[in-house]
Amino acid sequence: EPEVTQTPSHQVTQMGQEVILRCVPISNHLYFYWYRQILGQKVEFLVSFYNNEISEKSEIFDDQFSVERPDGSNFTLKIRSTKLEDSAMYFCASSPLDGGDSGNTIYFGEGSWLTVV
Amino acid sequence: GEDVEQSLFLSVREGDSSVINCTYTDSSSTYLYWYKQEPGAGLQLLTYIFSNMDMKQDQRLTVLLNKKDKHLSLRIADTQTGDSAIYFCAFDRGSTLGRLYFGRGTQLTVWP
Repeated sequence: EPEVTQTPSHQVTQMGQEVILRCVPISNHLYFYWYRQILGQKVEFLVSFYNNEISEKSEIFDDQFSVERPDGSNFTLKIRSTKLEDSAMYFCASSPLDGGDSGNTIYFGEGSWLTVV
Repeated sequence: GEDVEQSLFLSVREGDSSVINCTYTDSSSTYLYWYKQEPGAGLQLLTYIFSNMDMKQDQRLTVLLNKKDKHLSLRIADTQTGDSAIYFCAFDRGSTLGRLYFGRGTQLTVWP
């Protein structure tokens, strides 16, 4: 079964460093997302991406964050100048459609656990 | 706001049915979802229901939606130890498909 894959599975970085989290969405999907889950808290939406541009972002997704689809398969999340509070599990997700009667099935990857020290 | 509430823990004996409940505040949802997260793993889509449906059945899983009470439930028949995991309900808003709002998750423990 096709799946969303993410790398790295774990990363430890020093405060102030830049981090890039990578994702390979399911190949025929059109919409891509990043979510995060701080330990003990809810899974939170960060950003959605469609047709090579951001379609929506949450208040969490400030200038410290950026996303890119550098080629036909990868989707990346860059976090500049990481802070302690950026420590979280970051989930990439993708979906084939934009809704309608066929549904909007959103598939998540296994996550990248980021620890900022 | 977009608030989703779930009870945090549920324990059942193997072979019994499990019912995981979720309440939400936003009435504009188009799709409501159930995800499963096993230890160290990602979010696995279990099932979803379109907001104009009351019930959806998929093998051992039954989803019930009560739009009037804004209540969503997931019933797992013949629960197995392999069903032990955290179960998240999530919903979108009709105008922003793909942006999901999650509950805190219910830790289901199945005893042999």
